[in-house]
Amino acid sequence: GIQVEQSPPDLILQEGANSTLRCNFSDSVNNLQWFHQNPWGQLINLFYIPSGTKQNGRLSATTVATERYSLLYISSSQTTDSGVYFCAVELYNTDKLIFGTGTRLQVFP
Amino acid sequence: SAVISQKPSRDICQRGTSLTIQCQVDSQVTMMFWYRQQPGQSLTLIATANQGSEATYESGFVIDKFPISRPNLTFSTLTVSNMSPEDSSIYLCSVDPGGTGYTFGSGTRLTVV
Repeated sequence: GIQVEQSPPDLILQEGANSTLRCNFSDSVNNLQWFHQNPWGQLINLFYIPSGTKQNGRLSATTVATERYSLLYISSSQTTDSGVYFCAVELYNTDKLIFGTGTRLQVFP
Repeated sequence: SAVISQKPSRDICQRGTSLTIQCQVDSQVTMMFWYRQQPGQSLTLIATANQGSEATYESGFVIDKFPISRPNLTFSTLTVSNMSPEDSSIYLCSVDPGGTGYTFGSGTRLTVV
């Protein structure tokens, strides 16, 4: 089956720093999403981005479907950005969302 | 996008008992999905629930352990049966209303003692 790998697995930042999270997937996908899971376990949809680039405030994401990767950029990080970031892909002709391995981000003041 | 109300938000249960988790969606959806997230791990799909038919389970998950009901297009339940400490996880339901990506409930944090 498809493999969805994220890097780095762990990231520690000081407040104000910028970061790039990467998601690689091993097969063509219909859709891709980025999620933030906060310390209480709630999963928040950040981007629905099967291709191209989107921006939302300090966050932006780029998916290059032909090269099978996606990037999530966090600028001027804040302590509230802490948590786990997941990418998830939807395969063609299925309704299954396959989650990546996750990146655990800790932002310190 | 759809809004999902999931309950309970957390529970502590005795081994050997069962817990039923409920998800209510504010719009009609064809399919609902149930996920498990074991401590420190990613999310794994348990099953897909369609209204009016039996749920479709992923490899490693069986109906006797995780029975699912889907009585209408806005509601579903997942039961975790005959629980053991290994069932301690976060359980989440999800829907795809179409065009905006999957939305998740707030999760149920289950601890089995």
